[in-house]
Amino acid sequence: EAGVAQSPRYKIIEKRQSVAFWCNPISGHATLYWYQQILGQGPKLLIQFQNNGVVDDSQLPKDRFSAERLKGVDSTLKIQPAKLEDSAVYLCASSPPRSGNMGELFFGEGSRLTVL
Amino acid sequence: GNSVTQMEGPVTLSEEAFLTINCTYTATGYPSLFWYVQYPGEGLQLLLKATKADDKGSNKGFEATYRKETTSFHLEKGSVQVSDSAVYFCALSAGTALIFGKGTTLSVSS
Repeated sequence: EAGVAQSPRYKIIEKRQSVAFWCNPISGHATLYWYQQILGQGPKLLIQFQNNGVVDDSQLPKDRFSAERLKGVDSTLKIQPAKLEDSAVYLCASSPPRSGNMGELFFGEGSRLTVL
Repeated sequence: GNSVTQMEGPVTLSEEAFLTINCTYTATGYPSLFWYVQYPGEGLQLLLKATKADDKGSNKGFEATYRKETTSFHLEKGSVQVSDSAVYFCALSAGTALIFGKGTTLSVSS
């Protein structure tokens, strides 16, 4: 079974530029998550989708971050304009129907962003 | 609010040593508790879980017991191997979103 796919793996940009990350979850997984992991910290939830609807985006900095999951499959996370403090690994995760409440998430390898 | 606190790392052990990584939590209600592991170059993966008080989660020789009275979920392994070198994250689920601790790096030498 193919895992969660993310791209790009690495991205270096200058502050005020924009960047987009893509995620393709495991086939059949209804719930998709984007987490931000800053160096030395644990992952922090940015947004959670159930199919193509948003369940929780309370910690998403909406003035610069946006995410969409059209057609309820793959998802894109965008940052515009980027700030130095956005340097982090952006993790995508998915979970099958009814297991999201049980915390069994499947993670991709992450996209590492460096903002200069 | 809900939070997880785990011991600072790095933890450095020799092969076959006993491992404990402490984890305590603060939560309203009755959360589920998890340990996730991140091996070098790989994504986070679920190691074990416990969904109610006194439950013991176990996998790959690792164990953790959900202690409601001490709000703890300490990770233990009786004899670590070099291949256990990784970053370990304690997490809780109070609803649908996982809340993670900061992670503890384990390094095992032969």
